[in-house]
Amino acid sequence: QVQLQQWGAGLLKPSETLSLTCGVYETSFNNYYWGWIRQPPGKGLQWIGKVNHVGGTDYNPSLKSRVTMSVAASKKQFSLRLTSVTAADTAVYFCARLFYDYYYMDAWGKGTTVTVSS
Amino acid sequence: QSGPTQPASVSGSPGQSITISCTGSSSDIGTYVSWYQQHPGEPPQVILYGVTERPSGVSNRFSGSKSGNTASLTISGLQAEDEADYYCCSYGHKDSLVVFGAGTKLTVL
Repeated sequence: QVQLQQWGAGLLKPSETLSLTCGVYETSFNNYYWGWIRQPPGKGLQWIGKVNHVGGTDYNPSLKSRVTMSVAASKKQFSLRLTSVTAADTAVYFCARLFYDYYYMDAWGKGTTVTVSS
Repeated sequence: QSGPTQPASVSGSPGQSITISCTGSSSDIGTYVSWYQQHPGEPPQVILYGVTERPSGVSNRFSGSKSGNTASLTISGLQAEDEADYYCCSYGHKDSLVVFGAGTKLTVL
């Protein structure tokens, strides 16, 4: 059964860079998109962006200037970097697998809580 | 980019049916509409994709439809375990963007 395990720093100061990685297990890495989604406390889901196995990316325009997604296909890992964080970036960050055909997310990581506070 | 519009909350009694709407622009609500169920403290779980398709293992009490720029999720035979937040999600080929609705809280009375 496919598993996504994510890790990264959970406490950041304003202006620092958020860095998260998601490891993919029990599934092919090449046949899907890989995405990041976040959820601020008590709020809804926000799409951050997606990356494919060769590093092709699409980002949410509202975050595009601060976001970089990358892949390490040989390790079956993909990563998120978000620069110049503020309190507004405080959220639970999820990684997910997307199907190419209908662009839906069928497998999710458990989520990483990231808090930005001075 | 704002996402599709969903009602903030809906409620129903056990055994009843409820419908949650998801309204957007013509470019938002196309073929690539999916729905997610999220219980507190857990990641979302897909319950419908491609407007009407159910992933393996999802109860047939969940069904989807679309009319014009509005997609809908219907849950029949409400059960206590259905109490959760529900999000619609759409993908636009034109701009390769995924957008979520704001979410609907379902309360089972």
